[in-house]
Amino acid sequence: DVQLVESGGYLVHPGGSLRLSCAASGFIFSIHEMNWVRQAPGKGLEWISYISSSGNTIYYADSVKGRFTISRDNAKNSLYLQMNSLRGEDTAVYYCARVHYYNSSASFDYWGQGTLVTVSS
Amino acid sequence: DIQMTQSPSSLSASVGDRVTITCRTSQSISSHLNWYQQKPGKAPKLLIYAASSLQSGVPSRFSGSGSGTDFTLAICSLQPEDSATYYCQQSYTTPRTFGQGTKLEIK
Repeated sequence: DVQLVESGGYLVHPGGSLRLSCAASGFIFSIHEMNWVRQAPGKGLEWISYISSSGNTIYYADSVKGRFTISRDNAKNSLYLQMNSLRGEDTAVYYCARVHYYNSSASFDYWGQGTLVTVSS
Repeated sequence: DIQMTQSPSSLSASVGDRVTITCRTSQSISSHLNWYQQKPGKAPKLLIYAASSLQSGVPSRFSGSGSGTDFTLAICSLQPEDSATYYCQQSYTTPRTFGQGTKLEIK
């Protein structure tokens, strides 16, 4: 079965850093594009970052550009999100999500259970 | 960025009813539109991809339609387990924006 398991969420002070991980299993991780999506408490879903299967193509939402870095290690079947200069508005549950293609149309077919990041003094 | 407008923001319906949720985009996205269901404390679940294709394992009472800028998620014969928040998402371009969500309550 496909599994995505996030970890690394924690309480951190404003201005601090955190690294999230997403461990993948049950599929060939190295051929799938991946994303991070977050959800602030009581709010909707916000896409924040994308990485291609090779890691050569990366995109960020404006809200995190210059502060967050997405990466992957295909040998370890793992996806990462390095978060620096954290702000209160970064408080959210962070999900990793796998990309599925159908006729060139992309969707997120598998999601992890999420990891909570709280930014507070 | 492509703006997504879902309506209604919430609705209440009874078991056995048919409901529709609409999603309008600020520019044409062809059929690059997905629908997700999210229950409290859980990760989102893909229901419909490419506007009208049913994800494997999703009950056939869920259906999607539309193209261009106007899309609809329909749920017929509502069941108690359909109580959830539903989100549309465009995959035409980056950022992959989501609608604000529609909270469905089963009376």
